[in-house]
Amino acid sequence: KQEVTQIPAALSVPEGENLVLNCSFTDSAIYNLQWFRQDPGKGLTSLLLIQSSQREQTSGRLNASLDKSSGRSTLYIAASQPGDSATYLCAVSGNTPLVFGKGTRLSVIA
Amino acid sequence: ETGVTQTPRHLVMGMTNKKSLKCEQHLGHNAMYWYKQSAKKPLELMFVYSLEERVENNSVPSRFSPECPNSSHLFLHLHTLQPEDSALYLCASSHTGGTGGRNGELFFGEGSRLTVL
Repeated sequence: KQEVTQIPAALSVPEGENLVLNCSFTDSAIYNLQWFRQDPGKGLTSLLLIQSSQREQTSGRLNASLDKSSGRSTLYIAASQPGDSATYLCAVSGNTPLVFGKGTRLSVIA
Repeated sequence: ETGVTQTPRHLVMGMTNKKSLKCEQHLGHNAMYWYKQSAKKPLELMFVYSLEERVENNSVPSRFSPECPNSSHLFLHLHTLQPEDSALYLCASSHTGGTGGRNGELFFGEGSRLTVL
């Protein structure tokens, strides 16, 4: 059974800092991995999708990497801004629909 | 605007009420999902519909009853719920996959916040 773990559970950084969020999964036989952002009381917004054959994806200040063999993905956020404050969720798709981690709650302090 | 719309956004119901949550997607996707989000827990998959056919329900209690009349609409019918069912219910859709996984990128609605008194 696929399990997804996100570390840390919460993170607080000053504005402008670069940061890395971590995601690990137990079954490396994945189809793709998706990073989402969730604001309080809202739905999930898709940030990046990495196919299992890819190593990384970039969108603006966001860069997500995937190391399937070690069961790890990282989300790198450059030059963080207060508007980046949210919960970031990682989810993997394999032979079952998406399995989610509990998320990392990020606070960027101005 | 993700192309997935959920109504109502907030719902308060008693344990004996019957209500329904509605989801509509305008993305031309062929798979739709219901997820439950409770505090301190990961999102839990409740139901998956692929090409309007339900193929997985993950042992959800029968007091939750899904309906997918066509590929653009998904309902979650609620009856005799318990207070522990209070949560954010999220609908999602994707272009491929669904039941057997291997899904394309998922797009979520804003969710329906349910409170059971």
